[in-house]
Amino acid sequence: GNSVTQMEGPVTLSEEAFLTINCTYTATGYPSLFWYVQYPGEGLQLLLKATKADDKGSNKGFEATYRKETTSFHLEKGSVQVSDSAVYFCALSDHRNTGFQKLVFGTGTRLLVSP
Amino acid sequence: AAGVIQSPRHLIKEKRETATLKCYPIPRHDTVYWYQQGPGQDPQFLISFYEKMQSDKGSIPDRFSAQQFSDYHSELNMSSLELGDSALYFCASSLEVYRENTGELFFGEGSRLTVL
Repeated sequence: GNSVTQMEGPVTLSEEAFLTINCTYTATGYPSLFWYVQYPGEGLQLLLKATKADDKGSNKGFEATYRKETTSFHLEKGSVQVSDSAVYFCALSDHRNTGFQKLVFGTGTRLLVSP
Repeated sequence: AAGVIQSPRHLIKEKRETATLKCYPIPRHDTVYWYQQGPGQDPQFLISFYEKMQSDKGSIPDRFSAQQFSDYHSELNMSSLELGDSALYFCASSLEVYRENTGELFFGEGSRLTVL
């Protein structure tokens, strides 16, 4: 079945540090890949997405590249801010394989950024 | 732009009581998904609807039921509540033809259910 594996958290960084959160996936088809962010006490917000191999999703300084050869979609940011503290979820949708395939989430990685 | 609206945002119930959560999708969206997120957990898929018909079913307990109405809003009914049902319940919506191309779902802010 389809699954997503994320690095465990929490990830603790100082402001302006470089961020990498690893994400690998297993899918039977050719999924779309997503990063969602959940700020404390809030809902899920789409951060970025990539719908095919070698696509790069980017938003708010975050980037992730869809790597089919390594089945990965690692999230990166060059300089984190305190306001980036949140839980980050990697997710996939194998929507091309079946008609109503739901989103499958990883377990989430908590990022804590200190001043 | 209009987003997915969920109500109530917070709900407190006693064990064995019943709760109903409502979801109003983005206008013109025809699919609705329900997810449950326990404390410190990732969101787990419960059930989805397309054009008022159930389209997929996940780990939804038999005590729960849901439906999508003619105006595309959806309700999740939970009966005989247990302590373990305390969670954040998310609704997501999409326009099916768009979702088929990208796989993207649009989430509401969630309804937090606390069972005492």
